[in-house]
Formats: sequence, C-alpha cells, structure tokens
Amino acid sequence: QQQVRQSPQSLTVWEGETAILNCSYENSAFDYFPWYQQFPGEGPALLISILSVSDKKEDGRFTIFFNKREKKLSLHIADSQPGDSATYFCAATDSGYNKLTFGKGTVLLVSP
Amino acid sequence: GPKVLQIPSHQIIDMGQMVTLNCDPVSNHLYFYWYKQILGQQMEFLVNFYNGKVMEKSKLFKDQFSVERPDGSYFTLKIQPTALEDSAVYFCASSLAQNSDYTFGSGTRLLVI
Repeated sequence: QQQVRQSPQSLTVWEGETAILNCSYENSAFDYFPWYQQFPGEGPALLISILSVSDKKEDGRFTIFFNKREKKLSLHIADSQPGDSATYFCAATDSGYNKLTFGKGTVLLVSP
Repeated sequence: GPKVLQIPSHQIIDMGQMVTLNCDPVSNHLYFYWYKQILGQQMEFLVNFYNGKVMEKSKLFKDQFSVERPDGSYFTLKIQPTALEDSAVYFCASSLAQNSDYTFGSGTRLLVI
C-alpha cells in the first residue's frame, strides 16, 4: 500500500510556464510535508516544506498548496526554467519525525 | 551548504559476500538514517540511529543488516550476507535534531550479482 502518491509520473513544460506537481497521502497522522528536488547522480535536496496547519507556503518561484480535508497537496513552480529539470519527491512524516515516507517522484522536464 | 558524503558511490559484489556502505554525516548532526531506493520505486526508510542506538527500523531492515557509528566516525550500513534483492541505491541522511530537516548524501549504488 503506497502511502504517498504523486502525479503525474513525468511532466514537460515550456520555459516560463507554471509546472504543477501533485501529491496525495493516506495517513491522517502525517503533518509535515517536505518536497525534495533531485538531479541525476545526486541525493535529494530539500526544496520547500509545509506543516499541516498551513494551506499555503511560498518560497520564491515555488509554492505548496495544501488541502488537509482532501489529503492533497501540490507544488507549483512558476516561471519554470530549464535548470528546474529534475525529479521532485513529495514526502510526509508525523510529529515524531522519525522517518519520511516518500512518493515515487515526478520527473520534470522544462524545455527552452 | 554542509554535505553528507557516501563512500563508495558504486559497489558490485557477489551474492553472499559482505558489504559495508559508509556515510560521513554533517559534522554537528546527531541523527542518522538509511533509505533504500530500488530503480523506479520510491525511497523507503530502513533505519534511524541516535546516540549509538537504533531508534526505529522498518521491515526492510532484515536480520542481515546492521548499522553502527564507531567512535563518531563513519555511520555504516553492513549487509552480511548480501542477496540479489539487496541491489538498490542506498541513501544516507543526517539531521541536527529529531525534528530537523534531513541532509541526504548522493547515494551508493549497490549491485549484487
């Protein structure tokens, strides 16, 4: 049973467009959701995160929208750049923060 | 920023042999983790480690797996003996506190043949 689901599996957008990456989860106990960006051959790097008490978190071109009732969240990347081409992982943890549960990732390609 | 280093980056090993994966965590971090990623699948939690002890492990952390951090040096994952299904990328991570964000290493790509 996959506790964190991501869609789409892959996404191609043109430079300058907004990329929207979706994530949903099963466990109501999850209350912290970090998003990681991973380039080929590298480890995942924290991009932006949100607590379940918030419904929106912005950091520059990156915004998380969170819907606790529906157990869904999305990462919006505004003004996408070719350098944003990477795999994006949605993760979740509960208040114990002992471990992260990851989705399978979305591969984003930004075409110039 | 501070980095987690993993050594080696790639390892090929015969089934049944022992392998040790090494992780050099961020210097002031106190919590350490191993995650396993099979190709095309999500990263999955294996184990976390604090103050010289395993705090929690998943069902993926088989009896053949062990972790330690002797004398504050490398945080290691040992698999003995290895099995074909152990082939995966193993990511090490560290964090300053239990509720702090993780810093991940680049992974060790293990192939058991």
